[in-house]
Amino acid sequence: DAGITQSPRHKVTETGTPVTLRCHQTENHRYMYWYRQDPGHGLRLIHYSYGVKDTDKGEVSDGYSVSRSKTEDFLLTLESATSSQTSVYFCAIRTGVVTGELFFGEGSRLTVL
Amino acid sequence: GNSVTQMEGPVTLSEEAFLTINCTYTATGYPSLFWYVQYPGEGLQLLLKATKADDKGSNKGFEATYRKETTSFHLEKGSVQVSDSAVYFCALTTQETSGSRLTFGEGTQLTVNP
Repeated sequence: DAGITQSPRHKVTETGTPVTLRCHQTENHRYMYWYRQDPGHGLRLIHYSYGVKDTDKGEVSDGYSVSRSKTEDFLLTLESATSSQTSVYFCAIRTGVVTGELFFGEGSRLTVL
Repeated sequence: GNSVTQMEGPVTLSEEAFLTINCTYTATGYPSLFWYVQYPGEGLQLLLKATKADDKGSNKGFEATYRKETTSFHLEKGSVQVSDSAVYFCALTTQETSGSRLTFGEGTQLTVNP
């Protein structure tokens, strides 16, 4: 079974500080994604990766950067956190090569004060 | 572009009631359709899927039929249980979509009372 570990699971930080969220997968899935979940918006894609060092923007990428130096790790960085980035962040991997379904991690809850 | 519209929630039902959560979509290309469920404090789990017109996805008593003519993928269950209380998301992807990303609806909160 696919496995994803997100860390940290909970974080409280102050406006203007940098934050990095980590997503680690236990298998060699090529595609990895970062989504944010907010009430009234469902899940919105921030960035995704289609291989080591290959990343692209999603629909809400402003204020975020990502890196993927190894197949198993996908990092999401907020260079200078703002209160509007308070959210629950989900990492996902594409397990359905043909059908396209994603497998999600348990989420990282970020609060920016 | 792609978009998914779900019926507005929240939805509150009594145990053993019939459930329908409406989902309609617009898509560039030929989509695969999904329902995900999110239990409190957890991530999203794939509930069911359908990849071509008239396919019926089913799991745990839930069903949804891919209706190309009405661009719909409504979720149904004949008799809900308290344990079905969760948020349900309709989603789609197409091969034409860059990164094979999923596009999600806003989610529908379901509460089932004993």
